[in-house]
Amino acid sequence: RKEVEQDPGPFNVPEGATVAFNCTYSNSASQSFFWYRQDCRKEPKLLMSVYSSGNEDGRFTAQLNRASQYISLLIRDSKLSDSATYLCVVEPNAGKSTFGDGTTLTVKP
Amino acid sequence: EPEVTQTPSHQVTQMGQEVILRCVPISNHLYFYWYRQILGQKVEFLVSFYNNEISEKSEIFDDQFSVERPDGSNFTLKIRSTKLEDSAMYFCAISETASYEQYFGPGTRLTVT
Repeated sequence: RKEVEQDPGPFNVPEGATVAFNCTYSNSASQSFFWYRQDCRKEPKLLMSVYSSGNEDGRFTAQLNRASQYISLLIRDSKLSDSATYLCVVEPNAGKSTFGDGTTLTVKP
Repeated sequence: EPEVTQTPSHQVTQMGQEVILRCVPISNHLYFYWYRQILGQKVEFLVSFYNNEISEKSEIFDDQFSVERPDGSNFTLKIRSTKLEDSAMYFCAISETASYEQYFGPGTRLTVT
């Protein structure tokens, strides 16, 4: 089993759609969780941290389910500029990060 | 958002040569990381560095790799004897402390011929 596994994608959605990505992790002791986005041939950029209580930032909502060991990212009212690869990142121990393979989203007009 | 610069942006080297990749954080963040991303593949953790020593490293970070922060500002990744399979994008990242959000530099594209 992969340490971090993401929805394989790609996701192709129209503008305005709601889209959800899921990510599972294997190490139950993991403490820190993040979503990053990566545009083609660019560096990963932090989208949001994921907390046990869930967190929201504008159109983006992240959830953590420790019992089932999964993280989700919900994007509402998709924009063309949301087109990117979304990376799930888990820290199994402090100072060491494991990235998922990424899920590619294309938002079409 | 903290800034991180990396030099060079692109490095071409011959197999067997040594390369040094540089990262300059423009902040007082204390944790430093190196990652690599082979074209079309996932981002892979190499090493984290805190208080002038390695904090964690992956299986990829073998004896041909080393890191240091020689002058308190630059953070370097040295690859002693490059192989073809070292061709990748190398990203530096910083964070305030372990388990906090990381901020990435723009990367160095290493091409080994």
